Amino acid sequence: ETGVTQTPRHLVMGMTNKKSLKCEQHLGHNAMYWYKQSAKKPLELMFVYNFKEQTENNSVPSRFSPECPNSSHLFLHLHTLQPEDSALYLCASSQRTGGGGDTQYFGPGTRLTVL
Amino acid sequence: GQQLNQSPQSMFIQEGEDVSMNCTSSSIFNTWLWYKQDPGEGPVLLIALYKAGELTSNGRLTAQFGITRKDSFLNISASIPSDVGIYFCAGFNNAGNMLTFGGGTRLMVKP
Repeated sequence: ETGVTQTPRHLVMGMTNKKSLKCEQHLGHNAMYWYKQSAKKPLELMFVYNFKEQTENNSVPSRFSPECPNSSHLFLHLHTLQPEDSALYLCASSQRTGGGGDTQYFGPGTRLTVL
Repeated sequence: GQQLNQSPQSMFIQEGEDVSMNCTSSSIFNTWLWYKQDPGEGPVLLIALYKAGELTSNGRLTAQFGITRKDSFLNISASIPSDVGIYFCAGFNNAGNMLTFGGGTRLMVKP
């Protein structure tokens, strides 16, 4: 029922691999987000895009590279990751960024394991 | 940085019992959101609150936006096994544009 889809749902990769996570929203929203969720930690915001422009990079290492070709699609390109990067990566979208009711809707996540 | 304190961290209850969890902040919030996350899935929005004092229900769930605008609570009545999961509060404050999340309450229900 969610309007935000993510692929793949599960990904196992070696530290030298290059892979990409994909997110697509069907809600007509203009803002999209990447979050990292590790065990026993609060959700960590990674990147924010508003109308395809990156508006937030929350001190994320350069081995994570986002791409937003249009308001409906968001990618996270991964290369030379570390085992501590293993986590659930969640995509979300909202009508716009900025507070006051810009409710975010989440995708199901990609469970990433780095060996 | 801005933090939301969510409690309790976990609860283990008997089916049929009522549940209450809350979230507090040191600063004023304009919006409070409550999400539920099932294992291996993303958070799903349960209730959104936009006004101080607002009380909103969604089935057996009831949430309130605290009158001080620094807290919110979520109640679940007559819990059932499918209520199991992690419940997150989240909100927007005056200063920031980003959604801030609480640490989550893990709910376990014994049939």
